[in-house]
Amino acid sequence: NAGVTQTPKFQVLKTGQSMTLQCAQDMNHNSMYWYRQDPGMGLRLIYYSASEGTTDKGEVPNGYNVSRLNKREFSLRLESAAPSQTSVYFCASRREGETQYFGPGTRLLVL
Amino acid sequence: AQSVTQPDIHITVSEGASLELRCNYSYGATPYLFWYVQSPGQGLQLLLKYFSGDTLVQGIKGFEAEFKRSQSSFNLRKPSVHWSDAAEYFCAVGVPPAGRRALTFGSGTRLQVQP
Repeated sequence: NAGVTQTPKFQVLKTGQSMTLQCAQDMNHNSMYWYRQDPGMGLRLIYYSASEGTTDKGEVPNGYNVSRLNKREFSLRLESAAPSQTSVYFCASRREGETQYFGPGTRLLVL
Repeated sequence: AQSVTQPDIHITVSEGASLELRCNYSYGATPYLFWYVQSPGQGLQLLLKYFSGDTLVQGIKGFEAEFKRSQSSFNLRKPSVHWSDAAEYFCAVGVPPAGRRALTFGSGTRLQVQP
C-alpha cells in the first residue's frame, strides 16, 4: 500500500514549456486534490475531483488543467509554464470523512 | 469563507521544553480541524484531527490539541519537545457538511529545536 504517489519529484522547465504532473492513490478514495505550496502562504487549492469523471476549480486554477483519468489517477497539466508557477505541488486524496492524505510533493522550477 | 491564522511564523524551543503552537480560525460554525506536520523536503503527515465530541484530542508523536469554541482556536501542544520534532506545522480547517471538502490551511509555523 503506497498511499499517494507523485511523479516527478523534481522538474525544471523553461518559460512556455508544458508538462504534466502525475498523481496516483491506491486507497480507493473518491476525492482527489491538487495544492500548491509557496513560502509563507500555506497550501492553496488548485483543482479538485470529487469523484471519477468530475473536476472543479479551487482557489488558484489559472494556468492549470486537470484530468481525472480513473479513480486512482489525477493529473495536473501546465500548458505554458510561467515563473509564477514555480512552487511545490502536492496531491492529496480523501476517503469518506474529512481526512486528506498527501503525496510527497513535486518541486517545480520554471526559469 | 473560512480562514486560518497561525500567528507565529517561527518558534524556537529547547529540547525537553513544552510547546504550544497557536491556530485561530474564522468560520460561522464549528469546522473540522486538523494539524499536519511537514519535515524538510517531505509531504504532510496528519498529527491529529477534531470533528466533534471531546475538545481535547490526542494525536501521534505525543501531540495533543484543544478546541476552544469561545476563542475559535485549536492550539497544538506537546509537553516535552524532541529534536526530531523540528519541522513546519500547519493548521487546517474543513467545512462541513457537504461540498468540495478541500482544506484551508494556515501559513505554517516553523519549529526549531535547540539542544
